[in-house]
Amino acid sequence: DQQVKQNSPSLSVQEGRISILNCDYTNSMFDYFLWYKKYPAEGPTFLISISSIKDKNEDGRFTVFLNKSAKHLSLHIVPSQPGDSAVYFCAASARVGNEKLTFGTGTRLTIIP
Amino acid sequence: DADVTQTPRNRITKTGKRIMLECSQTKGHDRMYWYRQDPGLGLRLIYYSFDVKDINKGEISDGYSVSRQAQAKFSLSLESAIPNQTALYFCATLDRQGGTDTQYFGPGTRLTVL
Repeated sequence: DQQVKQNSPSLSVQEGRISILNCDYTNSMFDYFLWYKKYPAEGPTFLISISSIKDKNEDGRFTVFLNKSAKHLSLHIVPSQPGDSAVYFCAASARVGNEKLTFGTGTRLTIIP
Repeated sequence: DADVTQTPRNRITKTGKRIMLECSQTKGHDRMYWYRQDPGLGLRLIYYSFDVKDINKGEISDGYSVSRQAQAKFSLSLESAIPNQTALYFCATLDRQGGTDTQYFGPGTRLTVL
């Protein structure tokens, strides 16, 4: 049972435009969400996170939105740059008494110059 | 220097062989994790450790064992490798400072079991 779902395996976006990556979850105990970025031959690197007490968190070009009622979060990258081409993983945890992350299957983002 | 290192980076082995993947960290974190990544399945947790004396199974621990030799070292063993253990393996540490839960990953080990 996939508790964290990324339904788009791939996404292509023109350079300079907005990239929107989506993630859905089913476990209502999740209260902390993260996005990781992964380049080929490297480990995932932390990008941005959000706690369930917020609905938005911004860091430079990256913004994560959380809609708790819909159990949905999204990552916005604006403007998109060629270096943003990577696989993006959504992850979630139920922090109280549980420090494990549950990952989605990833979305491969390609930025077209 | 990288904060989380993994050795080897690539390994090809045969069915039935014993394999050990090693992970070291210089971040001083107590919590360490082993994941495997398969195409279309994301990262799945194999084992995790909260400190040297605390080892826990993840969602796919069958066929694997671990050893936490020190705070900085966490090894993953395949006692008798089989072809469906061919995957990319990642070690990670957890930073809980400042109320965040951020995992830092090593570069990965690509394991092929023939």
